[in-house]
Amino acid sequence: DVKVTQSSRYLVKRTGEKVFLECVQDMDHENMFWYRQDPGLGLRLIYFSYDVKMKEKGDIPEGYSVSREKKERFSLILESASTNQTSMYLCASSLSPSGTKQPQHFGDGTRLSIL
Amino acid sequence: AQKITQTQPGMFVQEKEAVTLDCTYDTSDPSYGLFWYKQPSSGEMIFLIYQGSYDQQNATEGRYSLNFQKARKSANLVISASQLGDSAMYFCAMREVGNTGGFKTIFGAGTRLFVKA
Repeated sequence: DVKVTQSSRYLVKRTGEKVFLECVQDMDHENMFWYRQDPGLGLRLIYFSYDVKMKEKGDIPEGYSVSREKKERFSLILESASTNQTSMYLCASSLSPSGTKQPQHFGDGTRLSIL
Repeated sequence: AQKITQTQPGMFVQEKEAVTLDCTYDTSDPSYGLFWYKQPSSGEMIFLIYQGSYDQQNATEGRYSLNFQKARKSANLVISASQLGDSAMYFCAMREVGNTGGFKTIFGAGTRLFVKA
């Protein structure tokens, strides 16, 4: 079974802090993703990566950056946390799409509160 | 524009009955895939079922089936014989091949299902 592990289930930080959310997958997946989930908005893609050191902006990249130095690890960075970044953050991984079939495998999520 | 629309924010169903969760989508890409995920209160997203745009038959996985109506651009999830453990948030999602090579998946806002004993 694919295991996607996010470093924290709950995190509380202060406005202006630099925040790191870590995600590790153990199935040698090429692709990794960061989403945020807000009520009524579903999941929105922040960034994704299809290879080591490669990254692509998703739909809402502002205020975030990512790092993928190793295939199994994808980090989300909030450069200067703000209260509107309080949300649930979900990491996912998948094999390279052959067509559209590969599902994404998700971590348990990190509920981040910015005070 | 909304690409995935789930019009039911919340649904109730009696245990052991069937329930249909609605999903409509919008795309001009002839090659796309549709997914349903379940998110229990614990937070993890669980992949349930997949339907490809070129698949001739509706997908089925155990008690889950996908009622795929391509011309109407709908991909409704049918859960048969509901169980209390089916109470969760359900998300419909679409991946287009398009110009992103199939990497981007778009999610709907979700439907919260409550199964009554």
